[in-house]
Amino acid sequence: AQTVTQSQPEMSVQEAETVTLSCTYDTSESDYYLFWYKQPPSRQMILVIRQEAYKQQNATENRFSVNFQKAAKSFSLKISDSQLGDAAMYFCATTAGAGSYQLTFGKGTKLSVIP
Amino acid sequence: GAGVSQSPSNKVTEKGKDVELRCDPISGHTALYWYRQSLGQGLEFLIYFQGNSAPDKSGLPSDRFSAERTGGSVSTLTIQRTQQEDSAVYLCASSFGGTRWDEQFFGPGTRLTVL
Repeated sequence: AQTVTQSQPEMSVQEAETVTLSCTYDTSESDYYLFWYKQPPSRQMILVIRQEAYKQQNATENRFSVNFQKAAKSFSLKISDSQLGDAAMYFCATTAGAGSYQLTFGKGTKLSVIP
Repeated sequence: GAGVSQSPSNKVTEKGKDVELRCDPISGHTALYWYRQSLGQGLEFLIYFQGNSAPDKSGLPSDRFSAERTGGSVSTLTIQRTQQEDSAVYLCASSFGGTRWDEQFFGPGTRLTVL
């Protein structure tokens, strides 16, 4: 079974600055996926970025990028040029690969953006 | 519709009553997922549908929980004899099957409060 740990319950960042959210995971699978989801107060989970474990290159999506350290089982999210709209809960998630369909989530990090 | 919709958005019920939560997935999505988010926690996988079949129901917390999906579209999660510990936000997600199973799109959830 997979486990996901987010050690920072809350974080804050100044608008336009950069912030990094931490995530570590444990899995016995060799083929798996990693995700960061954003949950604003509206409750709707939004996929921010995904990474396939077999790819060494870190995924990027505009201002969002990840630092994927497979050996350390670490998957941190970096948000550059933080905006007020980035304020939300951020959840790290993982799943085993082919044939798996369950997402295992961490407990989340609440990000506040200070104007 | 354009996105995953869920109804009702909020439900307050008395302990011991039965409740039904509805999920309308994105048109064309063959896979549908139910998750539960308790206060201050990450998401907990409940059940997954591929078409109208539920290959894995192991995430359902007790036999008071059941779910069905009809016509490969709408799904209903039923909780019988509700208990206070059932209070949570219930989130539904859908995705294409096959190689795109992991791109899950979430609905806004139903907040269930059991008094």
